Amino acid sequence: DVKVTQSSRYLVKRTGEKVFLECVQDMDHENMFWYRQDPGLGLRLIYFSYDVKMKEKGDIPEGYSVSREKKERFSLILESASTNQTSMYLCASSRQYQETQYFGPGTRLLVL
Amino acid sequence: GNSVTQMEGPVTLSEEAFLTINCTYTATGYPSLFWYVQYPGEGLQLLLKATKADDKGSNKGFEATYRKETTSFHLEKGSVQVSDSAVYFCALTLKSNFGNEKLTFGTGTRLTIIP
Repeated sequence: DVKVTQSSRYLVKRTGEKVFLECVQDMDHENMFWYRQDPGLGLRLIYFSYDVKMKEKGDIPEGYSVSREKKERFSLILESASTNQTSMYLCASSRQYQETQYFGPGTRLLVL
Repeated sequence: GNSVTQMEGPVTLSEEAFLTINCTYTATGYPSLFWYVQYPGEGLQLLLKATKADDKGSNKGFEATYRKETTSFHLEKGSVQVSDSAVYFCALTLKSNFGNEKLTFGTGTRLTIIP
């Protein structure tokens, strides 16, 4: 079975903290994505990666960075968390040239 | 740019009612269209998809037909169940030369089915 896991389901952080969200997939997929989900806004793409060490900005990259050192792992980094980054974060992966994305369960982040 | 507009929620129906959730899109080129579903406390999962005009995607009693003339991909189910309560997202993607197709999502429609 296809599996995308995220390191935490719930996370509470303070303003200014550095936050790491980890995502691991076991399907040998080339593509990995980070989205944030907010009520009334749907899912918005933050960053994606199509290969190890490769990354591209999505629609809302400001305030975020990413790291992909191994094919199966894609990390989202909030360099200095702010309250407007309180959200649900979803990771997804897909095979190259395949359109279907597989999602993890999400991390609900609260920044105080 | 590409965009997806879907029916505002929330939608509340009685069990066994007929469901329609409207979705229209704007895209340059010929997109593939998707419906994803998010059950409470879970990530998104693919419900159905259609890759070209007049294709019908179907799964779990849900159907949607790719209508190029009206740029629509409305989700329908003849008789909903309580277990269908979830948030439904319409999405599109365009083929990429690099194999990294990105999804553009609608805002989601929360569906609640009451017994």
